[in-house]
Parts: sequence; C-alpha cells; structure tokens
Amino acid sequence: EIVMTQSPATLSVSPGERATLSCRASQSVSSNLAWYQQKPGQAPRLLIYAASTRATGIPARFSGSGSGTEFTLTISSLQSEDFAVYYCQQYNNWPPWTFGQGTKVEIK
Amino acid sequence: QVQLVESGGGLVKPGGSLRLSCAASGFTFSDYYMSWIRQAPGKGLEWVSYISGSGYAIYYADSVKGRFTISRDNAKNSLYLQMNSLRAEDTAVYYCARAGGSLPNWFDPWGQGSLVTVSS
Repeated sequence: EIVMTQSPATLSVSPGERATLSCRASQSVSSNLAWYQQKPGQAPRLLIYAASTRATGIPARFSGSGSGTEFTLTISSLQSEDFAVYYCQQYNNWPPWTFGQGTKVEIK
Repeated sequence: QVQLVESGGGLVKPGGSLRLSCAASGFTFSDYYMSWIRQAPGKGLEWVSYISGSGYAIYYADSVKGRFTISRDNAKNSLYLQMNSLRAEDTAVYYCARAGGSLPNWFDPWGQGSLVTVSS
C-alpha cells in the first residue's frame, strides 16, 4: 500500500499571501496524483488531477506540480474562500486508492 | 449537471446492517467506475470500495472486505453499499463519488454524504 504524507498539518496564512502545501508518496506514483479541497460540512471537491491539471472551474490561483514521490499544491494569493482542508490522493498503485491525512489552511 | 445524492444512513447497533444508496444523474452512469469513500468524525478520507461500469470489477479496502458489498443498477442509475457486521469504527460520513475518467482514478464529483453511526 502506498502511504501518502502531507505537510504541514496546519498552515497559517494571511489573505493575499501564497500557500505551499506538500504531499509525499512512500513510493513513486508517477504523475497519478489528485488534490481536493474540503470545507467544513461539505464534501471534498476535486482541484487538481494528473499532478498539475486543474479541474473544471478551478481558479488559476491553484496550481499543482511534482512527479514521482514529491508533490506541491500552491495557492498563489489566498482568498477568504480558500481556507479549508486539502487532501492529496494517489491513483497509481491500486487497490487501495490512498489519501494523505490532510493539511488545514487557516487564517493567520 | 452531474449530481450524486446519497441516502440510507442512520443509527445502527454494532453487528447490525445498513444499505446506502446513491442516485446519479447528469451523465451516462454505466460508462463510469463508481466509488464509496468514508470520513470518520474529525478524521481524514478513507477509500472503501470501487465498482466498474459493468459491475464486473470490484475492489474493497481491507478494513471492509467480507463485510461490505458494493453493487450498482445501471437501469436505475444507482449505486449501493450493503454494510453488514457493522462496528463502531465504521461510524463515518459515507460519500459516493464518480471516477474522474474511464478508469478508477481520481474522484469527481462527490455526493453530499450520508452519516452512518454505529453505537449501542
């Protein structure tokens, strides 16, 4: 089973600042990685797939990069609606399909 | 637009059973893998099960294998999760989700979730 590890657990950022979230896989997942955003009381929403492709309707301030075992989600200028929990998920080696434990982006 | 609506959650005693349903609309249901993913209170996301469009390919997480059964009715555009021998650790919000493409890969979109509480 591939273990996904996200860091940091919590990221404190001021509105308008840049946020950088990391996700590491226990073995290579190539570019088969997705990112999700989850707000309190809501279902997760797909942001990024194939490591760097934005999903439909996702603003350009969200970008993904990386391949192999190291991945990054960058939010270029945080808006109030971006404060949420973010999860990475690999779909290279399955089953199982595995998620990271999440990074909470909070207001500084 | 694509929509997934779960139902069937509730309170059940340990050892009991429950069947979740997910009604799909806005896409050709039989063309897609479908999945169940759960989230325990205050915790992260855990993939539970995946089923192919035809229903022939099925996968389960080890934590539910032998207790849960995924199925689908393409004529009714519906996905199901039969949960037997429920345990306290199965308490979670259960989401149904569509595979992002023709293969079981990412999850998009997700339903609103259905809460299952296992408690005596």
